[in-house]
Amino acid sequence: NAGVTQTPKFRVLKTGQSMTLLCAQDMNHEYMYWYRQDPGMGLRLIHYSVGEGTTAKGEVPDGYNVSRLKKQNFLLGLESAAPSQTSVYFCASSHHAGTGEETQYFGPGTRLLVL
Amino acid sequence: AQSVAQPEDQVNVAEGNPLTVKCTYSVSGNPYLFWYVQYPNRGLQFLLKYITGDNLVKGSYGFEAEFNKSQTSFHLKKPSALVSDSALYFCAVRDATSGTYKYIFGTGTRLKVLA
Repeated sequence: NAGVTQTPKFRVLKTGQSMTLLCAQDMNHEYMYWYRQDPGMGLRLIHYSVGEGTTAKGEVPDGYNVSRLKKQNFLLGLESAAPSQTSVYFCASSHHAGTGEETQYFGPGTRLLVL
Repeated sequence: AQSVAQPEDQVNVAEGNPLTVKCTYSVSGNPYLFWYVQYPNRGLQFLLKYITGDNLVKGSYGFEAEFNKSQTSFHLKKPSALVSDSALYFCAVRDATSGTYKYIFGTGTRLKVLA
């Protein structure tokens, strides 16, 4: 099992460009999450999904969109990148939260630099 | 609103000595609490969680944490630190009665175990 994988590992964008980050998991998890990690800020939840076709806003959703067309994939989109979106992005997945089995499994991260 | 505080940016401890990494939380409902560890250039890994039951929870690599409802704390402990425990540690909380699946992470505590 690969667990949670993220594509790409590193990307440089110019202000105003768009891109999509891909997260894939092979653990049949229902829940998936996108976080950003910034120095001194810890991890902040951007968006999450509790199942195929559903998404919800997290703590810092502005400037991002997400889609969950397939259970195993969770895409994070930046329509018009800004330097404030320079960060390390982590995807995570878990079984149905609320059952007590809500351990999150994290991907290796995507480092994004917006110039 | 829910929040998590990790009051120490860094904790230094000598190898073989006991270690404590502090975490306090604030939720209006019922807290589910977690500890994760992050090694350099890696995603987060789950250590332990408190959902319900015994206030003392044991996790991976000899770590344990005690849920203290009156002090709203969930400090991470280990009786004897190893150099390999050096990493970044995150506490996280979810309000289980909120009806949402938003996890709030602390800002992280860097643990340095000195040989």
